[in-house]
Amino acid sequence: AQSVAQPEDQVNVAEGNPLTVKCTYSVSGNPYLFWYVQYPNRGLQFLLKYITGDNLVKGSYGFEAEFNKSQTSFHLKKPSALVSDSALYFCAVSPGTSGTYKYIFGTGTRLKVLA
Amino acid sequence: NAGVTQTPKFRVLKTGQSMTLLCAQDMNHEYMYWYRQDPGMGLRLIHYSVGEGTTAKGEVPDGYNVSRLKKQNFLLGLESAAPSQTSVYFCASRPGAGEQFFGPGTRLTVL
Repeated sequence: AQSVAQPEDQVNVAEGNPLTVKCTYSVSGNPYLFWYVQYPNRGLQFLLKYITGDNLVKGSYGFEAEFNKSQTSFHLKKPSALVSDSALYFCAVSPGTSGTYKYIFGTGTRLKVLA
Repeated sequence: NAGVTQTPKFRVLKTGQSMTLLCAQDMNHEYMYWYRQDPGMGLRLIHYSVGEGTTAKGEVPDGYNVSRLKKQNFLLGLESAAPSQTSVYFCASRPGAGEQFFGPGTRLTVL
């Protein structure tokens, strides 16, 4: 079965330190990979995506993610965390094959950046 | 552009009542989606549409119906609401094989 795993319910990091939010997936074909962020009482906002090309993808607000095909991972990273980065982060995968319209979302990781 | 809008923002229903949630997008996107978000479960796909006049079931379709009579609108209906349908509902759209654009959500409570 196709799935996405975010193994950490919550990640705590001190402001100014690097952060990593983990995502692994199990889908067939060449997947399209996404990260979204959700602030309280808001909808999801797109951060970045990988479809093809360079394995290191840069996105909004200084975030980046690295696609690792052998480890089937797509971890979200930021070199220096801000308190304002505190939010709920979702990894999502689309199988990427023709005719597949569905996205599979992880259960989310709550990031807390401590001042 | 307003992007993706959802109506209403909040609603409280009694068990057995019906209601319709409206999603509208002004980006001319082909694909539209309805999700529900529950604590610890991420987003679960209820129904989706790949174009005007088409709909398909997602992961958790039971108890919901949808219609896409116009390209810009995607309606989610609850014919007989149950407490298990208490959730936050999100609509999303996308133009092709890229990212989805989400609405602000509708918080529904069924008593």
